[in-house]
Amino acid sequence: GQQVEQSPASLVLQEGENAELQCTYSTTLNSMQWFYQRPGGRLVSLLYSPSWAEQRGGRLTSSAASNESRSSLHISSSQITDSGTYLCAMDLNYGGSGNKLIFGTGTLLSVKP
Amino acid sequence: DTTVKQNPRYKLARVGKPVNLICSQTMNHDTMYWYQKKPNQAPKLLLFYYDKILNREADTFEKFQSSRPNNSFCSLYIGSAGLEYSAMYLCASSNSYEQYFGPGTRLTVL
Repeated sequence: GQQVEQSPASLVLQEGENAELQCTYSTTLNSMQWFYQRPGGRLVSLLYSPSWAEQRGGRLTSSAASNESRSSLHISSSQITDSGTYLCAMDLNYGGSGNKLIFGTGTLLSVKP
Repeated sequence: DTTVKQNPRYKLARVGKPVNLICSQTMNHDTMYWYQKKPNQAPKLLLFYYDKILNREADTFEKFQSSRPNNSFCSLYIGSAGLEYSAMYLCASSNSYEQYFGPGTRLTVL
């Protein structure tokens, strides 16, 4: 079946450093989403991106290479409050009648002062 | 209000007993989803309701039931809990691509 792999599994940064999180997919990418989860918190959608588009939201940028079945999340100027788990998900859009998300296992990010 | 609520937050069940988990949203979303998340594993879609139509994943088809009595509520039902059902169960809702997640129900089967 379809699979999503994320790397790295965990990452430690000094505050102010940049990060790049990667996802690879086992099939051709249609569109994808990035989620964030604070420890003990709920999953929150960060960015949604069709396979050909780069999406930006503040210090976050999502880019995808559909021909390589790969996408990246760039976090610039990391802050302590960025700490948490980042999950990517391949979006199998059912054309308006529901979206099936295939999740990766996540990257645990820890930003130190 | 963009909150998805789940009850209970923690559930303890005995092997062989039924389990019913509840999810609610007041955003008038047409689609509601249930995911299962185990430690160190990715969240896995179990089923979803698009309006009144239930879609269940093939590999969990017989293990989980669901009902959606109205637009706001959706339940996840396990007829006979086994140890392998211990997990976090996440509910989400959406009207488009963006899914809003609840805090989850942690189910422990003993």
